[in-house]
Amino acid sequence: QKEVEQNSGPLSVPEGAIASLNCTYSDRGSQSFFWYRQYSGKSPELIMFIYSNGDKEDGRFTAQLNKASQYVSLLIRDSQPSDSATYLCAVGPKAAGNKLTFGGGTRVLVKP
Amino acid sequence: KAGVTQTPRYLIKTRGQQVTLSCSPISGHRSVSWYQQTPGQGLQFLFEYFSETQRNKGNFPGRFSGRQFSNSRSEMNVSTLELGDSALYLCASSLRGMSTDTQYFGPGTRLTVL
Repeated sequence: QKEVEQNSGPLSVPEGAIASLNCTYSDRGSQSFFWYRQYSGKSPELIMFIYSNGDKEDGRFTAQLNKASQYVSLLIRDSQPSDSATYLCAVGPKAAGNKLTFGGGTRVLVKP
Repeated sequence: KAGVTQTPRYLIKTRGQQVTLSCSPISGHRSVSWYQQTPGQGLQFLFEYFSETQRNKGNFPGRFSGRQFSNSRSEMNVSTLELGDSALYLCASSLRGMSTDTQYFGPGTRLTVL
């Protein structure tokens, strides 16, 4: 079992719709959860982070965390063609340090 | 503030050679982490440096090594290159090196081993 799992996609959504991405993790002691977006040929850029159970909203993005079920999700509202990218879920450890464990990424295609 | 910079951006080497990659973190950031990204394995953690000390290490062979200087700049070295080392090598920096810190990625160094 992989430590962080994501559906590889592609997730195809029409422009203006909601894209829903899921991520599950195996280390129950994980403390921090990040969503990065990566365009083809580029490096990952941070979209959101979440540390506590519940929802966190930032513009068109909402992250949801459920530690009991060990999953974290990302909703993209009013999806735009510019949102077409690979979305990476990353999990930070309980221990000190910056070792992030990444999922394989979900490719999102927003069709006009 | 300037972002994370990495040099060189592209590199072509042959099997058996060694290579050194450089990373300059965001000003004030003390933690530097290195990751390898390949189509097959995705993004994998190599190691993290904080205050010139390696604090965490991923599951990579000893051919992969790194160091951090007093100004927080970091280098990673790969010796005796293998074809499978072809990858995008990403450096990320964070302010305090805590697990809740956001890591900001540089543009990466694309290494091709022939």
